[in-house]
Amino acid sequence: QKEVEQDPGPLSVPEGAIVSLNCTYSNSAFQYFMWYRQYSRKGPELLMYTYSSGNKEDGRFTAQVDKSSKYISLFIRDSQPSDSATYLCAIGGNNRLAFGKGNQVVVIP
Amino acid sequence: GAVVSQHPSWVICKSGTSVKIECRSLDFQATTMFWYRQFPKQSLMLMATSNEGSKATYEQGVEKDKFLINHASLTLSTLTVTSAHPEDSSFYICSARPETSGSRVEQFFGPGTRLTVL
Repeated sequence: QKEVEQDPGPLSVPEGAIVSLNCTYSNSAFQYFMWYRQYSRKGPELLMYTYSSGNKEDGRFTAQVDKSSKYISLFIRDSQPSDSATYLCAIGGNNRLAFGKGNQVVVIP
Repeated sequence: GAVVSQHPSWVICKSGTSVKIECRSLDFQATTMFWYRQFPKQSLMLMATSNEGSKATYEQGVEKDKFLINHASLTLSTLTVTSAHPEDSSFYICSARPETSGSRVEQFFGPGTRLTVL
């Protein structure tokens, strides 16, 4: 079983829609949860960081963590064409990160 | 803050040559830097963890004699791909963890280096 599972299927949504992404993880020793955004041919950029169950909001972005289910989500409200990118979840602990495969999101104007 | 640079951003080389990639933390000191490899439409695969002043720790399956890592200072780590072959062509990305992170584990990534070996 992989440490982090993220369905890599591409996602196309119309501008203004809500984007919903999620990951599951297997190792409960990991205690830190992140979402990174990666534009094509660029390095990943930290978007959200959290370490507790519940919701964390930052502008149009909401990160949700359910430690009991080992499930994390990212929601993007009022999506914009500039949100078009690949979104990677990352689970951290023991001085390392385990990444999901990433979701390519396309927001259509 | 937390800016990481990489140089070069892309490189094309002949098979059998060596290529050095630099990773710098510009506005913070990083005790630990990480080197990743990413194939198209794939996730980041950790190659090695580099600690300043000590030998790098390589992930299983990564040849340490082929991918030489040097973390000479708190702001610079280098990855040298020795005797590169076409199968080494990939997107190499470094990241750094600030020295002042404490228990936080987030990493800040460089923009990546695209290596093409002919």
